[in-house]
Amino acid sequence: GNSVTQMEGPVTLSEEAFLTINCTYTATGYPSLFWYVQYPGEGLQLLLKATKADDKGSNKGFEATYRKETTSFHLEKGSVQVSDSAVYFCAPRGIYNQGGKLIFGQGTELSVKP
Amino acid sequence: SQTIHQWPATLVQPVGSPLSLECTVEGTSNPNLYWYRQAAGRGLQLLFYSVGIGQISSEVPQNLSASRPQDRQFILSSKKLLLSDSGFYLCAWSPGGGWQPQHFGDGTRLSIL
Repeated sequence: GNSVTQMEGPVTLSEEAFLTINCTYTATGYPSLFWYVQYPGEGLQLLLKATKADDKGSNKGFEATYRKETTSFHLEKGSVQVSDSAVYFCAPRGIYNQGGKLIFGQGTELSVKP
Repeated sequence: SQTIHQWPATLVQPVGSPLSLECTVEGTSNPNLYWYRQAAGRGLQLLFYSVGIGQISSEVPQNLSASRPQDRQFILSSKKLLLSDSGFYLCAWSPGGGWQPQHFGDGTRLSIL
């Protein structure tokens, strides 16, 4: 079945450090890929997306590239800020999933210290 | 633009009491609608989804139910709440079909006493 694996957290970084959160997935066909962010006590917000191989999604300094050959969609940011502290979810949307369901990983908690 | 509203934001209920959480979407027609639950410190669990009025698919067996009485209204219900129903409930919508993302409401934090 379809699944997604994210690196386990919590990830603790100092401000201005480089961030990578790994995400790999299994899915039938070529799914759309999304990263969502959840700030404490809030719902999920779409951070970025990619819909086909080699697409690069980017937003707020975050980037992720759709790697078909490695079925990965790793999230990166060159210089994190304290305000980036949140939980990050990688979520493929399989084209063969009835109802367009997203497949969520467990999330990766990021804590950025000043 | 499209917006999603979910209420209440927080709810404290005794064990055995009924539940009704409501979600509405504005600015779009015939959306796919979803209910998720997030236990503390855990990922999201899809509970129900709907691709049209009166069409509900259940992902996990439980004492919760969902209904879609109108195109842009999605309701999560229970006749008798259990302690294990505590959690953060999120409603989401997406355009029907295609490669579009889901968009989430602000969530309802449900505590069962």
